[in-house]
Amino acid sequence: AQSVTQPDIHITVSEGASLELRCNYSYGATPYLFWYVQSPGQGLQLLLKYFSGDTLVQGIKGFEAEFKRSQSSFNLRKPSVHWSDAAEYFCAVGPDQAGTALIFGKGTTLSVSS
Amino acid sequence: NAGVTQTPKFRVLKTGQSMTLLCAQDMNHEYMYWYRQDPGMGLRLIHYSVGEGTTAKGEVPDGYNVSRLKKQNFLLGLESAAPSQTSVYFCASTGAGGLSGVAFFGQGTRLTVV
Repeated sequence: AQSVTQPDIHITVSEGASLELRCNYSYGATPYLFWYVQSPGQGLQLLLKYFSGDTLVQGIKGFEAEFKRSQSSFNLRKPSVHWSDAAEYFCAVGPDQAGTALIFGKGTTLSVSS
Repeated sequence: NAGVTQTPKFRVLKTGQSMTLLCAQDMNHEYMYWYRQDPGMGLRLIHYSVGEGTTAKGEVPDGYNVSRLKKQNFLLGLESAAPSQTSVYFCASTGAGGLSGVAFFGQGTRLTVV
């Protein structure tokens, strides 16, 4: 079955420290992979996506993610976290079995301490 | 500004009442989706549409109906609201490339059923 697992429900990072958010997936082939961010009271904003090619993907706001086929992972990283990065982060894969929609993980809430 | 607009942003319903959530996009996108977001559950697909006049069921369609009479609008209806439908509802859209494009999300509708 297709699924996405984000093992960490909540992470706290000090401002200026590095960040890695984990994402593992179960999928029959190589999926499309996405990371979205949701600020409080807001909709979801796309950070980055991977379809094919270079396995290290650069996104907005200084984020990057690396696709590792052997580990079925697509972890999100940022070298230096800012207080404004505090939000909820969702990993997603697609398409689903119907071929049209994304399957989302349950999300990781990031808190940033000063 | 171009994007996805959801109406209303907040609503409180009594059990058994009906209502319609409106999603409007001005990007001429083919694909539109309705998700619900519940704490610790991520986003789950309710219904989706791949074009004007077409709709299909997602992961959690029970208790909801949808219509896509115009390309720019995707309506989500609750005929007889239940407390289990208390949630935050998000609409999203993508262009003709489907998941190869960017999915734009609305800001959400927070629905409480009492």
